[in-house]
Amino acid sequence: SQQGEEDPQALSIQEGENATMNCSYKTSINNLQWYRQNSGRGLVHLILIRSNEREKHSGRLRVTLDTSKKSSSLLITASRAADTASYFCATDAPYGGATNKLIFGTGTLLAVQP
Amino acid sequence: DGGITQSPKYLFRKEGQNVTLSCEQNLNHDAMYWYRQDPGQGLRLIYYSQIVNDFQKGDIAEGYSVSREKKESFPLTVTSAQKNPTAFYLCASSNKETGKEEQYFGPGTRLTVT
Repeated sequence: SQQGEEDPQALSIQEGENATMNCSYKTSINNLQWYRQNSGRGLVHLILIRSNEREKHSGRLRVTLDTSKKSSSLLITASRAADTASYFCATDAPYGGATNKLIFGTGTLLAVQP
Repeated sequence: DGGITQSPKYLFRKEGQNVTLSCEQNLNHDAMYWYRQDPGQGLRLIYYSQIVNDFQKGDIAEGYSVSREKKESFPLTVTSAQKNPTAFYLCASSNKETGKEEQYFGPGTRLTVT
């Protein structure tokens, strides 16, 4: 089952513009994570935000979390062609006592045109 | 140089054959995971293991088997019972400590069954 749904499914912007991706989920969470995947490669962890946090920054990335709306957004500022990739949100939800069991969304494919 | 490795990168098999995908990590992580990714889709959890000699079914375990005899290794066998085995398979590992919940991914194995 997939808990997270990203929006939009695909996004094309010009270099230097900002890119915003949204993620909605269904159940309560411990934390929400964002990952990046270049075509045909493994995923790379970008940022983790806990359920008691509302906003977090890392370099050109800004993540927000609204637990009342069960949604998160990832903002990439001053985008570069190298940011072209798929971006996934993943939720770490309480699940039968297991920890770190992530449920991934369907992803947003970002294309940054030079 | 710490990391997680998967081999081979590409694998071709005939229908009806079992095939084993390798996953090794030297990050001293307790938890390891196998995911399946289909084109344009997010990741779906096949199996996960939180400790040596223990593993749990994920969301799509049918037709797959795993073992966890060593902390460093978590091989996945795709059996002939898996109806649609052609996919991109990703292995990941994580530390169970709070504050270190991100998952580290291998480069993936692309399996094609004809």
